Amino acid sequence: EIVMTQSPATLSLSPGERATLSCRASQSVSSNLAWYQHKPGQAPRLLIHGASTRATGIPARFSGSGSGTEFTLTISSLQSEDFVVYYCQQHNSWPLTFGGGTKVQIK
Amino acid sequence: EVQLLESGGGLVQPGGSLRLSCATSGFTFSVHAMTWVRQAPGKGLEWVSTISQSGSSTFFADSVKGRFTISRDNSKDTLYLQMNNLRAEDTAVYYCAKVNSGWWFFESWGQGTLVTVSS
Repeated sequence: EIVMTQSPATLSLSPGERATLSCRASQSVSSNLAWYQHKPGQAPRLLIHGASTRATGIPARFSGSGSGTEFTLTISSLQSEDFVVYYCQQHNSWPLTFGGGTKVQIK
Repeated sequence: EVQLLESGGGLVQPGGSLRLSCATSGFTFSVHAMTWVRQAPGKGLEWVSTISQSGSSTFFADSVKGRFTISRDNSKDTLYLQMNNLRAEDTAVYYCAKVNSGWWFFESWGQGTLVTVSS
């Protein structure tokens, strides 16, 4: 099983600041990495797939990069609605696995 | 607009059974694999099970293998999860999700249904 590790667990930033979230795989997943945003009480939302492709309707302030075992989700300028939890997921091999999540909170 | 609506959650005793449903609309159900993902209280997302477009192939997390069954009815655009021999650690919100056509990531999600396993 591929273990996905996200860091930091919590990120404290101010609106307008840049957020950098990391996701590391225990073995290579090539570019088969997705990012999701999850607001409490709501359905998770796909942000990025294939490590760097924004999903339909996702604002340009969200970007993804990386390949192999190291991945990054960047939010260029945090908006109020961005202060929620983010998960990475490898879709390279079974079983499919998620990272533990990064909570972005207001500083 | 893609819509996924889970139902069937509730309170069940340890060792009991429950069947979840996910009614879908807004896309061609039969050409997409479907999946269940859960979130235990205070925890992150955990993949549970995936079923292929026709239902001929199914995949399960080790934590539910042998206890859960996934199925689909393409004539009703509905996904199911039969959960048997439930344990306290199965307590979670269960989400159904539509799988991308070419890769195993999840394009659209439902709002979830809560399953509580407790005596």
